[in-house]
Amino acid sequence: KNQVEQSPQSLIILEGKNCTLQCNYTVSPFSNLRWYKQDTGRGPVSLTIMTFSENTKSNGRYTATLDADTKQSSLHITASQLSDSASYICVVRSGGSYIPTFGRGTSLIVHP
Amino acid sequence: GAVVSQHPSWVICKSGTSVKIECRSLDFQATTMFWYRQFPKQSLMLMATSNEGSKATYEQGVEKDKFLINHASLTLSTLTVTSAHPEDSSFYICSGEGSTGELFFGEGSRLTVL
Repeated sequence: KNQVEQSPQSLIILEGKNCTLQCNYTVSPFSNLRWYKQDTGRGPVSLTIMTFSENTKSNGRYTATLDADTKQSSLHITASQLSDSASYICVVRSGGSYIPTFGRGTSLIVHP
Repeated sequence: GAVVSQHPSWVICKSGTSVKIECRSLDFQATTMFWYRQFPKQSLMLMATSNEGSKATYEQGVEKDKFLINHASLTLSTLTVTSAHPEDSSFYICSGEGSTGELFFGEGSRLTVL
């Protein structure tokens, strides 16, 4: 069964600090992995997409990594801002199914 | 990036009434649209997948007669919550799939059933 596990479930950090969110998946065959940011009461917005051949991809202060061998991805946020407070969702697409598999998300709170 | 317009953004209705939520892909054609519901502080739960011109595929435990999905065109999909009850109160989100497989989400609709 395709599964996506995210950790930690929630995280509280001080403004300006860095943090790393984890995503482990068992989706097979793997097609791609995306990280989404969901602000409270809003729809998710894509941050990065990782395909099988990509190890690292950056989008501003967000850097995603992918280890296809261990089936792990991480999202690193540098110099956090108050506006980074949101839920971060890992979504994995399988080459064998058109239905994406969602992680439960990591709730990040950035305190001033 | 591509835009998916979803409305209404919030709706309050009386128990027993029906509510329609629209999801439009504004600058791309979405052959496939997904509908989700999300309870407070919980993850998105896929309700159904709709393909243009065909019947929607519902996830296990989702009543198809309760949540009517219509995907009549490549740019419009609708979700109708029929005979809504307080337990149907939730945040409903749609997403359209672009040509590269990326999901573009609507802003969500907050339904409150009194």
